[in-house]
Amino acid sequence: AQSVTQPDIHITVSEGASLELRCNYSYGATPYLFWYVQSPGQGLQLLLKYFSGDTLVQGIKGFEAEFKRSQSSFNLRKPSVHWSDAAEYFCAVVKAGTYKYIFGTGTRLKVLA
Amino acid sequence: EAGVAQSPRYKIIEKRQSVAFWCNPISGHATLYWYQQILGQGPKLLIQFQNNGVVDDSQLPKDRFSAERLKGVDSTLKIQPAKLEDSAVYLCASSLGPTGIETQYFGPGTRLLVL
Repeated sequence: AQSVTQPDIHITVSEGASLELRCNYSYGATPYLFWYVQSPGQGLQLLLKYFSGDTLVQGIKGFEAEFKRSQSSFNLRKPSVHWSDAAEYFCAVVKAGTYKYIFGTGTRLKVLA
Repeated sequence: EAGVAQSPRYKIIEKRQSVAFWCNPISGHATLYWYQQILGQGPKLLIQFQNNGVVDDSQLPKDRFSAERLKGVDSTLKIQPAKLEDSAVYLCASSLGPTGIETQYFGPGTRLLVL
């Protein structure tokens, strides 16, 4: 079955530290890949997406993600975290040729001042 | 540009009661989605509309859930009768088109608590 795994339920980092959130997927072919952020009381907001081409994708708010086909991963990174980045982050995949998002279970990020 | 609007933001009901949620997508977006997000889980697609037609409702519990998008614009999701396990956030999203490439824009959600 198609699945998306975010192995870290909670992550805590200090403000200014670097961040990496992990996402792995299980599909036969490369799907479309997305990262969304959900702040408290807010809907999901798209950070970045990957369809093809350059495997390092730049997004909003200083985030980037790298697609690694060999590892079936699409990890989200930020070099220096700000307190306002505290939120829940969701990885999502769409199987090429379809339209249905499959979301991971999310990673809740806490930022220490 | 106005975002996806949802109401109410919060709803508390008792089991076996009925409840309805409303969504107004971004103007011009032909595709509308309803998701259920249970605490600790990612959103799960319940139903997808393309204009006023249903594209996918394979994960909609049709014995108790119903949804409509009569004029191809706003949409209503109804639960009747509600069960305890329906406690969740119900998210509405819209996109220009139905393909996986189109970015989905999400509303703030309706948080439902069934007692």
